[in-house]
Amino acid sequence: AQSVAQPEDQVNVAEGNPLTVKCTYSVSGNPYLFWYVQYPNRGLQFLLKYITGDNLVKGSYGFEAEFNKSQTSFHLKKPSALVSDSALYFCAVNPRSGGYNKLIFGAGTRLAVHP
Amino acid sequence: EAGVAQSPRYKIIEKRQSVAFWCNPISGHATLYWYQQILGQGPKLLIQFQNNGVVDDSQLPKDRFSAERLKGVDSTLKIQPAKLEDSAVYLCASSGSWTGLYTDTQYFGPGTRLTVL
Repeated sequence: AQSVAQPEDQVNVAEGNPLTVKCTYSVSGNPYLFWYVQYPNRGLQFLLKYITGDNLVKGSYGFEAEFNKSQTSFHLKKPSALVSDSALYFCAVNPRSGGYNKLIFGAGTRLAVHP
Repeated sequence: EAGVAQSPRYKIIEKRQSVAFWCNPISGHATLYWYQQILGQGPKLLIQFQNNGVVDDSQLPKDRFSAERLKGVDSTLKIQPAKLEDSAVYLCASSGSWTGLYTDTQYFGPGTRLTVL
């Protein structure tokens, strides 16, 4: 079955330190990969996506993500965390099958950045 | 550019009652999606429209859920009758391509939080 795993329910980081939020996927073929962020009582906001090309993708708010095909991972990173980055982060995969532009989401990782 | 609009933002109903949610996508977006997000889980696709036609409703509980997008613009999602396990946030999203390309980014509305008592 196609699935996305975010192994950490919560990640705690001190402000100014680098952060990593992990994502691995189990999808055959060459899926497209996405990261979204969700703030309280708000919908999901698009951060970045990997389609093809350079394995390091840059997105909004200083976030980037590294695609690793051999490890089927797409980890979200930021060199220097801000308290305002505290939110719920979702990794999503588009399997590119069935003719539909569907997304399969992980369960989410809560990022807490402490002053 | 205005984002995806949804209403109401919150709804509380008794089980066995009916409820409807409304979504207006980003102007010009041909593809519209409804997702269900249960607390502690990621969103799960319920139904996808391309213009006013359904292209994927495989995850929609059709005995109680229905959705329509009559004029290819806004959409409504209905639950009748509601069950306790329907308590969730219902998210609407839209994307731009007329062909539903896999590269399309989906943009989400703020969601409707449904509580079924």
